[in-house]
Amino acid sequence: DAGVTQSPTHLIKTRGQQVTLRCSPKSGHDTVSWYQQALGQGPQFIFQYYEEEERQRGNFPDRFSGHQFPNYSSELNVNALLLGDSALYLCASSLSLSGLNTEAFFGQGTRLTVV
Amino acid sequence: DQQVKQNSPSLSVQEGRISILNCDYTNSMFDYFLWYKKYPAEGPTFLISISSIKDKNEDGRFTVFLNKSAKHLSLHIVPSQPGDSAVYFCAASLYGGATNKLIFGTGTLLAVQP
Repeated sequence: DAGVTQSPTHLIKTRGQQVTLRCSPKSGHDTVSWYQQALGQGPQFIFQYYEEEERQRGNFPDRFSGHQFPNYSSELNVNALLLGDSALYLCASSLSLSGLNTEAFFGQGTRLTVV
Repeated sequence: DQQVKQNSPSLSVQEGRISILNCDYTNSMFDYFLWYKKYPAEGPTFLISISSIKDKNEDGRFTVFLNKSAKHLSLHIVPSQPGDSAVYFCAASLYGGATNKLIFGTGTLLAVQP
């Protein structure tokens, strides 16, 4: 059973560019959440997708956007990259059962470096 | 505003002894707590969780204790093994909500010495 897979694993971008990160959830999971982990910090919630809709959003600017596809996979898009966007981006999947969520399983992350 | 705090950035323990990792939270609305372990170059791995209706949950060598009045939880690992060396994150959520948005602490680096 494949767990949560993310691509690419590493990425280097220039300030002002745009980036797209991808995530395939664990088999059977229907909910995808994205987190940003800066160096020395814990992961911070960006947003969550369920039924192809953004269900909840953390304190991140509109430059951060996402999408969920019918097969439950998801993309995270970041526009107008800033140096401060350099971080490990983690995708987590879970199963929504009657409005309650199971424990989240994380992918290995995408290390984004903005230069 | 750091709602979940892990005040010890690192902890060193001898193999076979007990490791105790601590976590404090400020939001009394949190009703579900989780511990994750993270190795370098890997994503966090779920370890153990506890609902606010309990004060203890045990799974093998791992036990989590919750003290709601003190807004404090701890993870006990007994006996500690070198393979336990990793960063441990405490996380909290509103389990009864439609989303389990996780609020993480900053992590504690555990080093288990052989």
